[in-house]
Amino acid sequence: NAGVMQNPRHLVRRRGQEARLRCSPMKGHSHVYWYRQLPEEGLKFMVYLQKENIIDESGMPKERFSAEFPKEGPSILRIQQVVRGDSAAYFCASSPRRNTGELFFGEGSRLTVL
Amino acid sequence: KQEVTQIPAALSVPEGENLVLNCSFTDSAIYNLQWFRQDPGKGLTSLLLIQSSQREQTSGRLNASLDKSSGRSTLYIAASQPGDSATYLCAVSMAQTGANNLFFGTGTRLTVIP
Repeated sequence: NAGVMQNPRHLVRRRGQEARLRCSPMKGHSHVYWYRQLPEEGLKFMVYLQKENIIDESGMPKERFSAEFPKEGPSILRIQQVVRGDSAAYFCASSPRRNTGELFFGEGSRLTVL
Repeated sequence: KQEVTQIPAALSVPEGENLVLNCSFTDSAIYNLQWFRQDPGKGLTSLLLIQSSQREQTSGRLNASLDKSSGRSTLYIAASQPGDSATYLCAVSMAQTGANNLFFGTGTRLTVIP
């Protein structure tokens, strides 16, 4: 049973470009969470999705960031018009059930904005 | 707003020593508390999860305690080994935001010297 798969593992973008980060949850998991780890800071919750639905996006910046988890395919975190402050590690986690605290994390996608 | 603090930020010990990592949180109305391990460039691995009604959890050489009223948790590692070298993260969840929406500390970077 493969773990949570994230790609790309490393992504370099110039200011103003778009970044797309993908997350395939563990098999059988329908709950996906995105966290961001800024340099020298702790991980911070961004968004919680269940298949085709955004359940909680209270941690998402209001502009330029969006997330989806379609019926088929991976969850995608999209950052439009990236700025240097978006440089961070973005972690995806999945869970088989809601509200258990049982989270399985991927290895993260490291975004560098030049 | 929940704030999680971990002290020390870094710790270096000789192999075989017992050690304690500390975590404190500002809002004691937590749902649960978890300790994670993060290896460089890797994802997070859950080590121990303590429900708010529990006082401690043990797994092998690891023991985590929780004092909810004082907003503190400790992770005790017995007979440390070089393979324990990693960053240890403490995270809490709140009832109002759900068990899978975690508030993380910035971690303690542990180095066990052979």
